[in-house]
Amino acid sequence: QSALTQPASVSGSPGQSITISCTGTSSDVGRYNSVSWYQQHPGKAPKLMIYDVSNRPSGVSYRFSGSKSGNTASLTISGLQAEDEADYYCSSFTSNSFVFGTGTKVTVL
Amino acid sequence: QVQLVQSGAEVKKPGSSVKVSCKASGGTFSTYAVSWVRQAPGQGLEWMGGIITIFGRRNYAQKFQGRVTIITDDSSSTAYMELSSLRSEDTAVYYCARAMTRLSSGMSYRGFFHFNNMDVWGQGTTVTVSS
Repeated sequence: QSALTQPASVSGSPGQSITISCTGTSSDVGRYNSVSWYQQHPGKAPKLMIYDVSNRPSGVSYRFSGSKSGNTASLTISGLQAEDEADYYCSSFTSNSFVFGTGTKVTVL
Repeated sequence: QVQLVQSGAEVKKPGSSVKVSCKASGGTFSTYAVSWVRQAPGQGLEWMGGIITIFGRRNYAQKFQGRVTIITDDSSSTAYMELSSLRSEDTAVYYCARAMTRLSSGMSYRGFFHFNNMDVWGQGTTVTVSS
């Protein structure tokens, strides 16, 4: 099972909105509404930001939102803040595996 | 609020095995799916496998089949991951993580679906493989 494909880096200025894509196949992202997104700061454990495509866990800022179209899921960060600078990973599962995305480094300019 | 506390850093020789523990403080593993995820230096997250005690099921990524063993000890709320035949490429930070959905024996087993949405993570254990 190959990793889901994400852009290596995305950047934006404070206050702007950015979107990170996560491209899979009809066997994973396209088949199930079970895409999660994780934020990871350097040296820290990942943190769940979005679950089941578009749901936010308690305590996660409303500035984070998720969606899906076909085989591609997306994470949008609105009102970009300095603290959002981190690595972001998507994940999904298939009938015979579980897989993360390749990861995206978000830089706040 | 449950916390996952992992064992300390390890330095191992190539060909040896390592066993990492993950203790749930303030919670349990028996009714949740527990995963082990690793991250090599400068690399992304990699799912190694997981266990769902209430269903008596273990699932391993194909890449690690035959080399990894994941178990839980419900009496101590501790999960363990043992990786054998270590090589330098296994140098990484190893995380345990618990999925957010509480399971019950009346639910249907849905395989890898249960490992989704990991909302509680351990602090990570650094394993260094070096001769």
